[in-house]
Amino acid sequence: GAVVSQHPSWVICKSGTSVKIECRSLDFQATTMFWYRQFPKQSLMLMATSNEGSKATYEQGVEKDKFLINHASLTLSTLTVTSAHPEDSSFYICSARTYRNYEQYFGPGTRLTVT
Amino acid sequence: QKEVEQNSGPLSVPEGAIASLNCTYSDRGSQSFFWYRQYSGKSPELIMSIYSNGDKEDGRFTAQLNKASQYVSLLIRDSQPSDSATYLCAVIRYSGAGSYQLTFGKGTKLSVIP
Repeated sequence: GAVVSQHPSWVICKSGTSVKIECRSLDFQATTMFWYRQFPKQSLMLMATSNEGSKATYEQGVEKDKFLINHASLTLSTLTVTSAHPEDSSFYICSARTYRNYEQYFGPGTRLTVT
Repeated sequence: QKEVEQNSGPLSVPEGAIASLNCTYSDRGSQSFFWYRQYSGKSPELIMSIYSNGDKEDGRFTAQLNKASQYVSLLIRDSQPSDSATYLCAVIRYSGAGSYQLTFGKGTKLSVIP
């Protein structure tokens, strides 16, 4: 299957700082990338959908000024959590969709802890 | 009615048995169906995709699709303890403005007992 990388795999930051997470599709081009978050023992929650070269579409209840998404190329999307607070601590997972058959592959995730 | 429904489990099967996971979906226009496996603390991994009615086999996994009944299933033959995970059923649905979104069920937790 296709490979999606994510960096960093885990990060600890202080409250009020910003954190950037990178997501790359390594062996395919992805016109559409997705960002999810997942709390322990809960379902995946879609945060936003991004298409290369255009603004991200955020799900209801997700603050677009807090979670900045940039999809600058067909292989790279970034999520920046601005002014992070402890309640932002979660498992953030990116996903990229291939051109054909709508197959969607997930990165390994980034575990964010805000102290 | 939830868009994608799965029995949350846990489903326990003995090692070597067949595990059967089921999923129903509400959007009759759905065309693409997927099964993901998610180990605890890890991200989902795509294990099967199916687009046409009938069966699709890949190693120990068989996906079955019945669009008339709006039903998708995953069979795991010769279940191994390493198959213990949460299995997510996912369906592509049209979300408007030319966009298609993957909708997940809540997942079925499978436990394979040695």
